[in-house]
Amino acid sequence: EIVLTQSPGTLSLSPGERATLSCRASQSVSSSYLAWYQQKPGQAPRLLIYGASSRATGIPDRFSGSGSGTDFTLTISRLEPEDFAVYYCQQYGSPFGGGTKVEIK
Amino acid sequence: QVQLVQSGAEVKKPGASVKVSCKASGYTFTSYDINWVRQATGQGLEWMGWMNPNSGNTGYAQKFQGRVTMTRNTSISTAYMELSSLRSEDTAVYYCARGRYLVDYWGQGTLVTVSS
Repeated sequence: EIVLTQSPGTLSLSPGERATLSCRASQSVSSSYLAWYQQKPGQAPRLLIYGASSRATGIPDRFSGSGSGTDFTLTISRLEPEDFAVYYCQQYGSPFGGGTKVEIK
Repeated sequence: QVQLVQSGAEVKKPGASVKVSCKASGYTFTSYDINWVRQATGQGLEWMGWMNPNSGNTGYAQKFQGRVTMTRNTSISTAYMELSSLRSEDTAVYYCARGRYLVDYWGQGTLVTVSS
């Protein structure tokens, strides 16, 4: 079973700053099945990125995904107030990563 | 529009089983997997497994193998997740979610509380 390790656990940033989130897999994964999700308190997760780099419908272009093999990255180019949340990566059909909380500094 | 509507909250005693339902609408039920994900208060997302409603094939996370069963009734577009031998650590919100290479729609969640 693939294990995804996300880092950092918490990212403290100010609105307007750039956020870089990492997701590392215990073995090579298919980029086609790597997705990123955003979750806010009291809500179900929302799909942000699929296929490692494709934005889901309605997702602003400040969100971008990259990577291949065992190393993947989610980048938020300029943080908006609504972007402060917890972010998870997942290879479809496998456990989620532990999550990265993006909090206001 | 795609909707996944889950059954209501449950309270169970340790050692019991719980069965949560997930009724799909707005798409062809047999064309997408149903995944089950749970989340304890203040914790991360925990993927439990998936089921292909067309074939009935399933894939369970190692942690839950032997304790979880995912089934479906295609005539009413409903998926089920049954978890047995409940313990207090199983207290969580349980979500069903539609998937095929990615998970795009989620149910509203079902709170399962395990308490003596």
